[in-house]
Amino acid sequence: DAKTTQPNSMESNEEEPVHLPCNHSTISGTDYIHWYRQLPSQGPEYVIHGLTSNVNNRMASLAIAEDRKSSTLILHRATLRDAAVYYCILRGSSNTGKLIFGQGTTLQVKP
Amino acid sequence: GAVVSQHPSRVICKSGTSVKIECRSLDFQATTMFWYRQFPKKSLMLMATSNEGSKATYEQGVEKDKFLINHASLTLSTLTVTSAHPEDSSFYICSARDGTSGSYEQYFGPGTRLTVT
Repeated sequence: DAKTTQPNSMESNEEEPVHLPCNHSTISGTDYIHWYRQLPSQGPEYVIHGLTSNVNNRMASLAIAEDRKSSTLILHRATLRDAAVYYCILRGSSNTGKLIFGQGTTLQVKP
Repeated sequence: GAVVSQHPSRVICKSGTSVKIECRSLDFQATTMFWYRQFPKKSLMLMATSNEGSKATYEQGVEKDKFLINHASLTLSTLTVTSAHPEDSSFYICSARDGTSGSYEQYFGPGTRLTVT
């Protein structure tokens, strides 16, 4: 499984945008980029995913580099409830759809 | 979004006993479910992939006789930790994929905290 590299932790101020980077230099042409987040003592929550084009949804935006070797999750206005561990995961195109979690980025949001 | 439940949310058991954890998809049919475990301040580790009506596929290093998985229906998968020991204490999380939608999005349960004394 192709690996991802994320910073261990990041800090943000409330109501400011947050850019969470992810490097995936060994990504293959059919790997999807998924982002999940996990709040303390809860199961992970789907945030967004994409393949080649940038994606937007109500939670966040996903900017994918042209060579697909990196991507950035963008939270447009961080709130205290966005404090969580954010995982960037590559999912292969095989039918199992299994996700292999890395260490993720712990986002701290300061009021 | 789709909802996945787990029962119980937390359980304490004595060493040597077995514990069953249920994972249910409440509003969709899950042809595939996944089981993870998570130690404190660590990431999720995939244990096995559970396919409805067939045997589970275990990840390397996970003992299939210790962690019994049954996926007897499209909405229910169970994980039984047999002969539990204190080192099995962990946060167990399941996820489910909606097999009918064609989407690969996984919906996670809230987790079950197991403490073995």
